[in-house]
Amino acid sequence: EAQVTQNPRYLITVTGKKLTVTCSQNMNHEYMSWYRQDPGLGLRQIYYSMNVEVTDKGDVPEGYKVSRKEKRNFPLILESPSPNQTSLYFCASARLAGGSYNEQFFGPGTRLTVL
Amino acid sequence: SQQGEEDPQALSIQEGENATMNCSYKTSINNLQWYRQNSGRGLVHLILIRSNEREKHSGRLRVTLDTSKKSSSLLITASRAADTASYFCATGSRRAGGTSYGKLTFGQGTILTVHP
Repeated sequence: EAQVTQNPRYLITVTGKKLTVTCSQNMNHEYMSWYRQDPGLGLRQIYYSMNVEVTDKGDVPEGYKVSRKEKRNFPLILESPSPNQTSLYFCASARLAGGSYNEQFFGPGTRLTVL
Repeated sequence: SQQGEEDPQALSIQEGENATMNCSYKTSINNLQWYRQNSGRGLVHLILIRSNEREKHSGRLRVTLDTSKKSSSLLITASRAADTASYFCATGSRRAGGTSYGKLTFGQGTILTVHP
């Protein structure tokens, strides 16, 4: 089954404790992206990747890191989480065709609480 | 304000009625996409319309795109209670040469409630 998986689905942590949210897709998509969703603010893009070893900032990259060492994986790293990073996080992937991406497939989301 | 703003913010209708949601954006785009999200879950892609297209249909969905007005609309015909969800438009800005930036911007969404 074609899918995007995220782990963990729920996480409660404390300020400053490094964490990684994993994202994996099995569709051989070139494009992957991370979003956060907050009430009243919609979805905001954190980082995206057009291919292996190619990453770029979205609208809200501060406090986050990503890496794209393999095509299928795109982990989101919070080196020193803070309470304002409490949010619902989504990973997504898409096929690139002719320099343009197509529909994005979303993971189920990771609800992160930073105390 | 953000690229990709939906209007209205909330819409409440009866089953069987049509629902229309609008999206406005600011910069040139390569394509515009509509997504649906059921409460707290991942987004599901509904339809993609490219900048050289004006109208597209998929089942009960009809999307129009007016690049001169930088706006799009999503029409859901004969709505059902199961259509209750949040609907988002997403735009990718176009770079010179026609290819897309990887940056994708979502609006804040329209909350649609369909009463049985």
